[in-house]
Amino acid sequence: DAGITQSPRYKITETGRQVTLMCHQTWSHSYMFWYRQDLGHGLRLIYYSAAADITDKGEVPDGYVVSRSKTENFPLTLESATRSQTSVYFCASSEIQSDEQFFGPGTRLTVL
Amino acid sequence: ILNVEQSPQSLHVQEGDSTNFTCSFPSSNFYALHWYRWETAKSPEALFVMTLNGDEKKKGRISATLNTKEGYSYLYIKGSQPEDSATYLCAFMTTDSWGKLQFGAGTQVVVTP
Repeated sequence: DAGITQSPRYKITETGRQVTLMCHQTWSHSYMFWYRQDLGHGLRLIYYSAAADITDKGEVPDGYVVSRSKTENFPLTLESATRSQTSVYFCASSEIQSDEQFFGPGTRLTVL
Repeated sequence: ILNVEQSPQSLHVQEGDSTNFTCSFPSSNFYALHWYRWETAKSPEALFVMTLNGDEKKKGRISATLNTKEGYSYLYIKGSQPEDSATYLCAFMTTDSWGKLQFGAGTQVVVTP
């Protein structure tokens, strides 16, 4: 099915472990984004990508790594998970930088 | 970090009443203003993307206006229905933020029958 998907939908991990959240879109959108949902802040941008092999930091990039070897995939890795990274993570994509963004269903991550 | 402020944080509306709420943003280097509707346990969905001063957009009973010179946008809901209950997010982009949206914390709307 066309759209934007995220996996896993739910993840529980322990402090210090590496975790990778996956994002896949079928529209061939150039732009992809990772956000985290924080109480009182709404959505905060972690990283974004303008095209394959082009990524840039957002507002809260520390502790996260991204890659984009293919247009349709944009994985987000927590190198050494901390409790403060417990959040709901949303991936989004858009055709051009100013266009509306289409959001995935979210991944709820709990770091114990 | 640019501040995007939304007010009020939450509001309760009786079914059939109309309501509106505000998004404030820095007026310099304006590029685009987005509105998203976010229902509980779902993903945000785009309502409007606004780029021009004085722009007005409408989708059904929901409309939005934009004033880039004074840095605000209003979202209006006419004849609120229970299905309008959601958090409404605005997000702001500048000419030098290169694709980065800065989101407000949202206005939570609860429509009671």
